[in-house]
Amino acid sequence: SQQGEEDPQALSIQEGENATMNCSYKTSINNLQWYRQNSGRGLVHLILIRSNEREKHSGRLRVTLDTSKKSSSLLITASRAADTASYFCATAKYGNKLVFGAGTILRVKS
Amino acid sequence: EAGVTQSPTHLIKTRGQQATLRCSPISGHTSVYWYQQALGLGLQFLLWYDEGEERNRGNFPPRFSGRQFPNYSSELNVNALELEDSALYLCASSLLTQSTVNTEAFFGQGTRLTVV
Repeated sequence: SQQGEEDPQALSIQEGENATMNCSYKTSINNLQWYRQNSGRGLVHLILIRSNEREKHSGRLRVTLDTSKKSSSLLITASRAADTASYFCATAKYGNKLVFGAGTILRVKS
Repeated sequence: EAGVTQSPTHLIKTRGQQATLRCSPISGHTSVYWYQQALGLGLQFLLWYDEGEERNRGNFPPRFSGRQFPNYSSELNVNALELEDSALYLCASSLLTQSTVNTEAFFGQGTRLTVV
């Protein structure tokens, strides 16, 4: 069963706009990771944020983590058509036994 | 450097048969994880191998089994296939040591198993 929920389930935006996806989880964690999946193939790791971190940046990506609310958000700024994909958050308590959310389908229209 | 490789890319089996899926981790990675992504069920953890030992197992029946070889590659076996086993099976690898508790997992492209 999935640990958490992601919202929205689907998001459609215009190229150049920002996209925000949210993720909630239920138990304590060591870290939270965000992944991208294109066309039902492999997962691409985007960013890992440790439980003692509150915010992390990587290029156009910004991730926040609020352990008191057991939630995280992924912001993609200045989106591009190539960002069209499914995005998943996953939590890890030990190693990389990951518990995934249901994912957000992002569509960026050019 | 080569990433995680999985074979075959696609596999079609008949109900009741056995399927064997293979995974080669990134060089130097000792941990291999298997995940199932079935339609409507999302990504679910199956198995974790590290240094040749099974470290953890997800909520799957015993007919899902696997092993890790001395070169850290891994095999996932699914016996007595059922229609519901149709899914994308993803393998991931990572380095796990006392000082690398928080390290990302690198995924392969997956094996799409279809049971007919």
